[in-house]
Amino acid sequence: KAGVTQTPRYLIKTRGQQVTLSCSPISGHRSVSWYQQTPGQGLQFLFEYFSETQRNKGNFPGRFSGRQFSNSRSEMNVSTLELGDSALYLCASSFGTLPQETQYFGPGTRLLVL
Amino acid sequence: EDQVTQSPEALRLQEGESSSLNCSYTVSGLRGLFWYRQDPGKGPEFLFTLYSAGEEKEKERLKATLTKKESFLHITAPKPEDSATYLCAVSGSARQLTFGSGTQLTVLP
Repeated sequence: KAGVTQTPRYLIKTRGQQVTLSCSPISGHRSVSWYQQTPGQGLQFLFEYFSETQRNKGNFPGRFSGRQFSNSRSEMNVSTLELGDSALYLCASSFGTLPQETQYFGPGTRLLVL
Repeated sequence: EDQVTQSPEALRLQEGESSSLNCSYTVSGLRGLFWYRQDPGKGPEFLFTLYSAGEEKEKERLKATLTKKESFLHITAPKPEDSATYLCAVSGSARQLTFGSGTQLTVLP
């Protein structure tokens, strides 16, 4: 079975721009969660989508948004980029929703904001 | 608020020298405790899920155990390829994964 895929793998943007990241979950998985990973804050939960509905959201500003399509693929958008948004953005999929389901992570998208 | 503390932050072992990594947690209504391994520049790789105190799981040289307050990841006779950052996470009534900061393991040949 193919794993979670994320595109693009690397991105360079400038402050004020916006960015869209894409995630394709493992086949059959209906839940997709997004995380931000930085050296200072570690892995932090952004949001979870299941059946095209946002199920939960972490403590991030409204500039961070997402959506899920009927085929379970998900996109994450960050508007008005700030330098502090530079991070590894990870997508994880699971068959069912949190809290008990095991999540499987993709390779991540490395975003650098200049 | 769910919290996860991992110790030590970094651990250097000689090949074959067994040791344990600790994950202490506070969570409202534990639903699962998860261990992942992460190599530099890659996404976390799933290792184990533990659901209740007393549960143990093994995979090759790794064994994970769970009590009501902490989990241990025991590494028996490690090899250099076991070098990675090991992450612990919990999920509970907040319906999200809360991760610890990880233990960076280096196994020297």
